[in-house]
Amino acid sequence: NAGVTQTPKFRVLKTGQSMTLLCAQDMNHEYMYWYRQDPGMGLRLIHYSVGEGTTAKGEVPDGYNVSRLKKQNFLLGLESAAPSQTSVYFCASIRDRASYEQYFGPGTRLTVT
Amino acid sequence: GENVEQHPSTLSVQEGDSAVIKCTYSDSASNYFPWYKQELGKGPQLIIDIRSNVGEKKDQRIAVTLNKTAKHFSLHITETQPEDSAVYFCAASTNFNKFYFGSGTKLNVKP
Repeated sequence: NAGVTQTPKFRVLKTGQSMTLLCAQDMNHEYMYWYRQDPGMGLRLIHYSVGEGTTAKGEVPDGYNVSRLKKQNFLLGLESAAPSQTSVYFCASIRDRASYEQYFGPGTRLTVT
Repeated sequence: GENVEQHPSTLSVQEGDSAVIKCTYSDSASNYFPWYKQELGKGPQLIIDIRSNVGEKKDQRIAVTLNKTAKHFSLHITETQPEDSAVYFCAASTNFNKFYFGSGTKLNVKP
């Protein structure tokens, strides 16, 4: 049982490049979330999903897209990276509304130059 | 949307003392309030949580209190130990859809 895993761990992009971050969980969780963490600002929700095939916008969705084609995977895409997207990205999941514990992945550090 | 404010931003205590971190929220619809501990280079980990129908919850040295009327909740750590040193985040959520986090408190427990 690996929990929540994120790929890659580190990435450097040039402005305008695109990339996809992968979040995978092996706990059969329904809810999945993508956050970004910037110094002094805590975590901010980018997008979330309440089940396979569904996604919704969070607090800071602009410049990002997501997909949840399979229950265990939640992908975060940056179509045209900007320096303002330099951040640490965390994925998280919750089993369902009866079990509230949010499990976080180890994070992806992204730098856009 | 919801606005969660957290204080203090840094807290330094002697080993064995108590530590208190406070958060306020703005949306009266929020009904779930978790606290997370984040160690350097790792993702946050849930340490305790409370739902809006409960006023206080305790788990060994950690307790959380909630005042719905005043819209604030607090984390209390007693008998602090050096391994409690980390960054702590509060959060608020309505029905586990969106989560709003505070800006974090860096706790330093001096041996």
